[in-house]
Amino acid sequence: ILNVEQSPQSLHVQEGDSTNFTCSFPSSNFYALHWYRWETAKSPEALFVMTLNGDEKKKGRISATLNTKEGYSYLYIKGSQPEDSATYLCAPFPTGANNLFFGTGTRLTVIP
Amino acid sequence: ETGVTQSPTHLIKTRGQQVTLRCSSQSGHNTVSWYQQALGQGPQFIFQYYREEENGRGNFPPRFSGLQFPNYSSELNVNALELDDSALYLCASSLGEDQETQYFGPGTRLLVL
Repeated sequence: ILNVEQSPQSLHVQEGDSTNFTCSFPSSNFYALHWYRWETAKSPEALFVMTLNGDEKKKGRISATLNTKEGYSYLYIKGSQPEDSATYLCAPFPTGANNLFFGTGTRLTVIP
Repeated sequence: ETGVTQSPTHLIKTRGQQVTLRCSSQSGHNTVSWYQQALGQGPQFIFQYYREEENGRGNFPPRFSGLQFPNYSSELNVNALELDDSALYLCASSLGEDQETQYFGPGTRLLVL
C-alpha cells in the first residue's frame, strides 16, 4: 500500500480560468509518476508519464511538473474549457512494483 | 489500432455467485493489469498478467483469479461474490515495461445484491 494524496478533492472553476492541483507521494523508491484524465462514462486517458526530478511535460493547455526529492507533482490547466471537466488521477509507480498506485483523484468542473 | 475493450459493461449478481469479466487488450500489448475501483476510491491493483503468466498481485483474496490467453486478452474471475465486491473493474494493457503507459478500457460495473 502506498500513501498517495491528491488535493483538492474537487473544484469548480469558470471557463477561461487557470487552475492547478497537487499529487503527493512517498519520495523513497520512486520510479515513475503517471497522470490520467478520466471523463465520466469513458476510459481513463493517459496524460503524462514522468520519471526525472524537475521534469516538466506539456500537452496543449495541460502541463505537469515533478519533484521526486520531496514527493509531489503539480498538474496545471491554462484557460480551462468545459471539455476539461473530468477527474484527474495521479499514480506513482515505485521501484520494484509492477503496478500503479492511484490517488483518489481531483474532480474538476469547468463552468461555461 | 483498436483500443482496450471490456465486456460486459454492467452486470448484477447475487452474493455467493461467480462472475467472469473479459478484457481485450490493445493491439501489440502483451501485459494486462486489472484494477478495482470502489465508490470514492482510486483504482486498486488486483493483479497483472504478462505473456499468460501472473506477474504480480495486489491485496486481494484468492477468490479473485485471472487468465491471459495467447492473443493477450484476459479474464478476471471472482468466486463467492460478496457485497463489497460491488465496484467498477478496469483492465489496462501495456507493452510490459515498467514505466510504460497503461491504456485503460471503459470498465465493467458490477453490482452484487
